Amino acid sequence: GAGVSQTPSNKVTEKGKYVELRCDPISGHTALYWYRQSLGQGPEFLIYFQGTGAADDSGLPNDRFFAVRPEGSVSTLKIQRTERGDSAVYLCASSLRAGRSYEQYFGPGTRLTVT
Amino acid sequence: GIQVEQSPPDLILQEGANSTLRCNFSDSVNNLQWFHQNPWGQLINLFYIPSGTKQNGRLSATTVATERYSLLYISSSQTTDSGVYFCAVPERSNDYKLSFGAGTTVTVRA
Repeated sequence: GAGVSQTPSNKVTEKGKYVELRCDPISGHTALYWYRQSLGQGPEFLIYFQGTGAADDSGLPNDRFFAVRPEGSVSTLKIQRTERGDSAVYLCASSLRAGRSYEQYFGPGTRLTVT
Repeated sequence: GIQVEQSPPDLILQEGANSTLRCNFSDSVNNLQWFHQNPWGQLINLFYIPSGTKQNGRLSATTVATERYSLLYISSSQTTDSGVYFCAVPERSNDYKLSFGAGTTVTVRA
């Protein structure tokens, strides 16, 4: 079946602009996660959704970052007033349910470059 | 949070060689995932292995949870094995949150 998909694959934006990154999880997966990967490092947790609600947003770096999942499927990560330090690969993952017993499957990522 | 250390950071192999990658973690875990990040950035699931040994083709993995480490074995390496290998474990209290190591970069030369 189809895996996790993310759009766009690449996004170049100017400092101060607003961007939206989209994630479409595996069909039937109720848990959705956003991670951020900087060059040369492993992914770092940003936010987790169980259904429509953000169950844990403790990894979001500041209030310029926000994510939604209004219908419990597709999610959008929104970044306001982008800064050069926001440049990274943003990865989305999904799992059948949340918790250690469930494998997380990752999308191909969106590479964000802030100039 | 839980600390995850991977070694070695870099590995260069001649095609056909075998290798072992190691993942150490600072707390007891009930789950561990190994991933391969290909040169295009896609994270591919290799193993979900909370304990014991699993094999998938030329790859196998062993997790010894009581001693807080996992090993990934690559046998008869091929150029397509090149990329970065990550292990990831869930936080103890928030077990939906994966903590990743810094990865092992593997380069297989023909």
